[in-house]
Amino acid sequence: GENVEQHPSTLSVQEGDSAVIKCTYSDSASNYFPWYKQELGKGPQLIIDIRSNVGEKKDQRIAVTLNKTAKHFSLHITETQPEDSAVYFCAARRRLMSGTYKYIFGTGTRLKVLA
Amino acid sequence: DAGVTQSPTHLIKTRGQQVTLRCSPKSGHDTVSWYQQALGQGPQFIFQYYEEEERQRGNFPDRFSGHQFPNYSSELNVNALLLGDSALYLCASSWNYREEKLFFGSGTQLSVL
Repeated sequence: GENVEQHPSTLSVQEGDSAVIKCTYSDSASNYFPWYKQELGKGPQLIIDIRSNVGEKKDQRIAVTLNKTAKHFSLHITETQPEDSAVYFCAARRRLMSGTYKYIFGTGTRLKVLA
Repeated sequence: DAGVTQSPTHLIKTRGQQVTLRCSPKSGHDTVSWYQQALGQGPQFIFQYYEEEERQRGNFPDRFSGHQFPNYSSELNVNALLLGDSALYLCASSWNYREEKLFFGSGTQLSVL
């Protein structure tokens, strides 16, 4: 069935180091891949996204890369700061025959940035 | 500009009871989706409402039902609550059902005892 695998489940890095979170999707019809950051007691917040016709996208310290052939996409955070500590979710979206869209979320990565 | 708002923030119910959760979408958005997030898991899609109709449904039993009002706000109803229904229930809105970006509320934490 459709699923999105996300690794690692937990990640600890020293402040200033880089963090990389990886996701693999199974449905080749997926064409949009957002990343969400969820802080304690809050809902997921969209931080960056990428469409299937683009290989890489960057926004300041955050970047996402997509390998459609391998069905992999990754989140890269450089120069990590304590406020980057949160749970990060990847997701894959595809269009259904009904004209609506379906999102499948990964299981999340708990990132801890150690000061 | 208000974001997605959900109420209540927390709720405690007992098995067999019924619950209603509420959501107001972000200003300008007309599509609302509901997700269930169990502890330590990613959000699982329940259903989506657009133009006051259920447009798409995930793998959830009929105990889960919803409604969308003319002002685009939405309700999620769960009947005959089970212990396993304990979770964070998230509402997400988008500009329309074709729009890619989802905006989530802070959720309603439901505990079933």
